Amino acid sequence: GESVGLHLPTLSVQEGDNSIINCAYSNSASDYFIWYKQESGKGPQFIIDIRSNMDKRQGQRVTVLLNKTVKHLSLQIAATQPGDSAVYFCAEGTGANSKLTFGKGITLSVRP
Amino acid sequence: NAGVMQNPRHLVRRRGQEARLRCSPMKGHSHVYWYRQLPEEGLKFMVYLQKENIIDESGMPKERFSAEFPKEGPSILRIQQVVRGDSAAYFCASSPRTGRPNYGYTFGSGTRLTVV
Repeated sequence: GESVGLHLPTLSVQEGDNSIINCAYSNSASDYFIWYKQESGKGPQFIIDIRSNMDKRQGQRVTVLLNKTVKHLSLQIAATQPGDSAVYFCAEGTGANSKLTFGKGITLSVRP
Repeated sequence: NAGVMQNPRHLVRRRGQEARLRCSPMKGHSHVYWYRQLPEEGLKFMVYLQKENIIDESGMPKERFSAEFPKEGPSILRIQQVVRGDSAAYFCASSPRTGRPNYGYTFGSGTRLTVV
């Protein structure tokens, strides 16, 4: 069936370094992709999204890249900070106000 | 403007009891979604509701689970005769009725259900 998955379960980075979190998806019909951050005991928090007709989108300290050829999505975090430590999920959806399909999540740990 | 409110935050039920989880969407939001998160896993879609209507329940287990979003009041996710496998975090999200396609909902903080 369709799935969204993450390559690595954990990622440890040094404070100040850049982080790259990768995600593979299989539904070529997806209209959009979203990255969420989830801190312990909280709900997912929207980080950034990208539509399927785009290759790249930048936010504040974050960049999302979409490679539809290989069905790959990545989240780049510049100058990683301790507050970035959390579990990150990629999700994909089709159409407006539709359900999202989430990957399993990757834990980002920032070393001081 | 309060966010999506879920209560209770933690709920403990014995096997066979009923669990009722409540979700009040953000002001102005009339679309509600329920997701379940098992430990160390991503969120799994359960059901999508609008006021008084179930739009998509493709992720709901066939038995014991039901959801509603009445004209007045919060959305309710009801689990009857709970079993240990129902232990999970249940998240509600809401999105606005109009506007551009909503790529990202607003999630609540979840209800953590523990079945003992």
